Amino acid sequence: DIVMTQSPDSLAVSLGERATINCKSSQSVLYSSNNENYLAWYQQKPGQPPKLLIYWASTRESGVPDRFSGSGSATDFTLTISSLQAEDVAVYYCQQYYSTPYTFGQGTKLEIK
Amino acid sequence: EVQLLESGGDLVQPGGSLRLSCAASGFTFSSYAMSWVRQAPGKGLEWVSSISGSGGSTYYADSVKGRFTISRDTSRNTLYLQMNSLRADDTAVYYCAKDRPEKVWGQGTLVTVSS
Repeated sequence: DIVMTQSPDSLAVSLGERATINCKSSQSVLYSSNNENYLAWYQQKPGQPPKLLIYWASTRESGVPDRFSGSGSATDFTLTISSLQAEDVAVYYCQQYYSTPYTFGQGTKLEIK
Repeated sequence: EVQLLESGGDLVQPGGSLRLSCAASGFTFSSYAMSWVRQAPGKGLEWVSSISGSGGSTYYADSVKGRFTISRDTSRNTLYLQMNSLRADDTAVYYCAKDRPEKVWGQGTLVTVSS
């Protein structure tokens, strides 16, 4: 199984500042035949289902604000929120969909400082 | 508008069975893979099972293999999860989700396994 490890477990950032969440996979999720990274990022607010933010490691889902961006390749990935807004308080998860089981990271709780 | 509506969650005793349903609307159901993902109280997300658009391929987490069965009925636009031999650690909110990665999620249905 591919193990996904996020860091940090929790993060407090001031409004308007940058937030960075890291995700590391235990093996590469880069598929050589199409050069795509099978890595997604989700946001989950309390009492709500997860919401897809980013897929293919860096493609923003329709309707997601452009302050959210994803980067990285193979085993190391980053979700960046360029200017934190109050509505971004949530838990963020990375997920690999390269191979079953489609594992998630443990989550990173993002709060306002 | 794409919508997924789960149902069937309940309180069940250990060793019991339950069938979850997910009614899909707003898209061509047979064209998309579908999945079940669960979240134990206060915990993170755990992928449970997926099924291809045709229903011909199914995949399971080791934690549920042999106990849970995923299926779909294209005529009813409905996804199912048959859960047998339930254990306390199956207690969770179960979400159905569309596509890979999971682009649309339902609101979830709570399964509680307890005596």
